[in-house]
Amino acid sequence: GQQVMQIPQYQHVQEGEDFTTYCNSSTTLSNIQWYKQRPGGHPVFLIQLVKSGEVKKQKRLTFQFGEAKKNSSLHITATQTTDVGTYFCAGLYIFGTGTRLKVLA
Amino acid sequence: GAGVSQSPSNKVTEKGKDVELRCDPISGHTALYWYRQSLGQGLEFLIYFQGNSAPDKSGLPSDRFSAERTGGSVSTLTIQRTQQEDSAVYLCASSLMVAPDTQYFGPGTRLTVL
Repeated sequence: GQQVMQIPQYQHVQEGEDFTTYCNSSTTLSNIQWYKQRPGGHPVFLIQLVKSGEVKKQKRLTFQFGEAKKNSSLHITATQTTDVGTYFCAGLYIFGTGTRLKVLA
Repeated sequence: GAGVSQSPSNKVTEKGKDVELRCDPISGHTALYWYRQSLGQGLEFLIYFQGNSAPDKSGLPSDRFSAERTGGSVSTLTIQRTQQEDSAVYLCASSLMVAPDTQYFGPGTRLTVL
């Protein structure tokens, strides 16, 4: 079946540093979604990418969908303590393994 | 408006007992999903209800797990003869359209099997 892997599994950064998480699917995706789960919370939808090579920005967050529609990335510029949490990509209803981000003040 | 609700929020049970977990999706949402999340882990897909079509049960880990969705609204996840490895947070989500569509998650039910 479809598998969605994310790297890295964990990332600790100093506040103000940049952060990137990568998502790779074993199959081509019609679209990809990104979710954020704060510690103790439930996943919250961030964005959906549909087109090959699509790039979308939300303030300090930049999302990219690969040309082959099998991979995606999320880049956060100048991290803040409010960015702490686990970031998941999802294809259809299969979620990636997640990247847990910790931001040190 | 009201979001996805789940009950109970916490459930402690003894090994071998059956449990029922309930999910109330957002009104009018076509699709409903169940996931399991063990401590510090990712979301494990369990089952997907897609409107009037047959559900995708491919994620159910064993025949002890079953789920139903009555009247296209409320869903119940049943775990029979619970085992300690069933301990996890069970998350329900709904989406307006069939997948892939934005999923809105409930707060989850934390199940502890002693």
